[in-house]
Amino acid sequence: EVQLVESGGGLVQPGRSLRLSCAASGFTFDDYAMHWVRQAPGKGLEWVSGISWNSGSIGYADSVKGRFTISRDNAKNSLYLQMNSLRAEDTALYYCAKDKGDSIAAPDFDYWGQGTLVTVSS
Amino acid sequence: AIQLTQSPSSLSASVGDRVTITCRASQGISSALAWYQQKPGKAPKLLIYDASSLESGVPSRFSGSGSGTDFTLTISSLQPEDFATYYCQQFNSYPLFGGGTKVEIK
Repeated sequence: EVQLVESGGGLVQPGRSLRLSCAASGFTFDDYAMHWVRQAPGKGLEWVSGISWNSGSIGYADSVKGRFTISRDNAKNSLYLQMNSLRAEDTALYYCAKDKGDSIAAPDFDYWGQGTLVTVSS
Repeated sequence: AIQLTQSPSSLSASVGDRVTITCRASQGISSALAWYQQKPGKAPKLLIYDASSLESGVPSRFSGSGSGTDFTLTISSLQPEDFATYYCQQFNSYPLFGGGTKVEIK
């Protein structure tokens, strides 16, 4: 059974940093691209970042480019999101999502975690 | 940048109804479109990919069609467990979701 478990969310002040983690199990992690997708309270879905199976291809939404860094450790079956210079508008539930393929081109998100909540507020 | 417009933004329907949700792209995106279902407090679930391919385990009452700029998700006979919010998603330069369609009980 595929499982994606996010952690690392919490309350943080504007301008500070936070690192999210996603522990994956139930599938061959290094065969697939992975993504972070967020959802602000009461709002729709927004793709944040994606990384190919071998970290060779990485993409970011314009809203986080230059502030967030995605990475993965295939030996640990883990995905990460380093979030710096956080803003109030980054407040959201952050989902880890598995891609059906190994690249971030034309992604389809076939499995999702339950999300970790990030609240940016003073 | 491409925009995805879903319509309607919400609808009320009864069990057994045929429901159609539309997703329109501001420019052609071939068939690279997916549909997701999200229930309150839950993560989204992939229903359809490549515009018309049914994800494994998804009931056959769900179907997708379209190409280019106009896409449709159809639920042939609405069931109680189908009341949820539905999102389309495309990939052009980056993944983009539509604004969502909330399907409520009439």
